[in-house]
This record gives sequence, structure tokens and C-alpha cells, in this order.
Amino acid sequence: DVKVTQSSRYLVKRTGEKVFLECVQDMDHENMFWYRQDPGLGLRLIYFSYDVKMKEKGDIPEGYSVSREKKERFSLILESASTNQTSMYLCASAPKGGIYEQYFGPGTRLTVT
Amino acid sequence: AQSVTQLGSHVSVSEGALVLLRCNYSSSVPPYLFWYVQYPNQGLQLLLKYTTGATLVKGINGFEAEFKKSETSFHLTKPSAHMSDAAEYFCAVSSRDDKIIFGKGTRLHILP
Repeated sequence: DVKVTQSSRYLVKRTGEKVFLECVQDMDHENMFWYRQDPGLGLRLIYFSYDVKMKEKGDIPEGYSVSREKKERFSLILESASTNQTSMYLCASAPKGGIYEQYFGPGTRLTVT
Repeated sequence: AQSVTQLGSHVSVSEGALVLLRCNYSSSVPPYLFWYVQYPNQGLQLLLKYTTGATLVKGINGFEAEFKKSETSFHLTKPSAHMSDAAEYFCAVSSRDDKIIFGKGTRLHILP
């Protein structure tokens, strides 16, 4: 079974803090993704990576950065957290090819106060 | 460019009744289509997918979906709803750059 794990299920941070969300997959997938999920808006792609050290902006990259130093790990960084970044964050991985589904982690519910 | 529209953000059905969740897509190339389900406080898991071949696709938990090119639809059905089917369901289409475009989701409520 593919396993995608995320470092925290729930996280509470203060405005202005630097926040790291970690995601690890164990299936040697090339592609990894970070989404945020908000009620009524569905899933919106923040960043994705198709290889180590490679990254591409998704639909809503502002206020976020990412790091992929190893194939299995993809980190999402909030440089200076703001209250409008309170959300559910979902990580996913997939093999190369587009025909393949994405496998999701359990999500991190981040609250910024 | 690809896009997905899910009709109805909330759908309620009685236990034992037919479940029908509607999805229409837009794609400039032959699409790969997916349905995902999200149970409370969990990530998404794949219900079923269409890539090529048979247009009626069977998935887990008794769900199925039919790809209708002429209608650009990929509706999800289940003959008899169960309480455990209460969840949020997302229709999605694959772009050709390995990204998936998700619909906004439909929350399914099961009435006893």
C-alpha cells in the first residue's frame, strides 16, 4: 500500500511565525503536490514538484514556498503565517504519467491565531 | 484547459435509495477522469477512475461511473445508499502535465 504521511494532524501557530509542513511518501513517486482545502472552494494546488529540487507554482503560491531535497520528502513552508492561511493542507504523490491517480496523506489542519 | 463542474454542493438521499452525484468536465484532449471520496478528518482516497476502454467504470464500495463523451459527463452512482457513504466526493480530471484538476466537491448526506 502506498503511504503518504504528514508530520502533524493539527497545528496551531501565531501570526508571523514560520511554519513547516512535512510530507513523506514511500512509493518512489516522482510527483508530489501540496493543496489547501477550504469549504466551498474544493482543493486548490499550491505547489507541485516533479523531481528532486524541482518545483512549480500551482494556482495559489503566494505566501508559500516549498523544498524537495529528497525524492520521498516534500516540505511546505509558510514564511510568515497569516490568519488567512488557516486551512486544511493536503499532500499527495503520484507516479509520472498523468494517467495515474494521486495518493493523499491524512491532512494537516492548521490554525493561525 | 481542463475544468470540472460538480452540480450540487450538498446532496441528501435516504438510506437504500439511489445515489447520483453529477460531474461535467471540459477538456481539450481525451480526459482521464477520477472520483475521490473524503471521509471526515481524513485525506482523499480514490473511488474509481476512467482512462481508456470501457466507459462504465466500477469502483470500491459499490460505486460506479459512466464516461459519456457526447455529454462531457462522468456521473457517480450507487444503487443503494448506506449510512457509511456519508462523505464528501470530488470529481477530477487529469491535465497532461501530471496535475489533477478537482471539482469543488459534493457533500453526500444519508437520511435514515
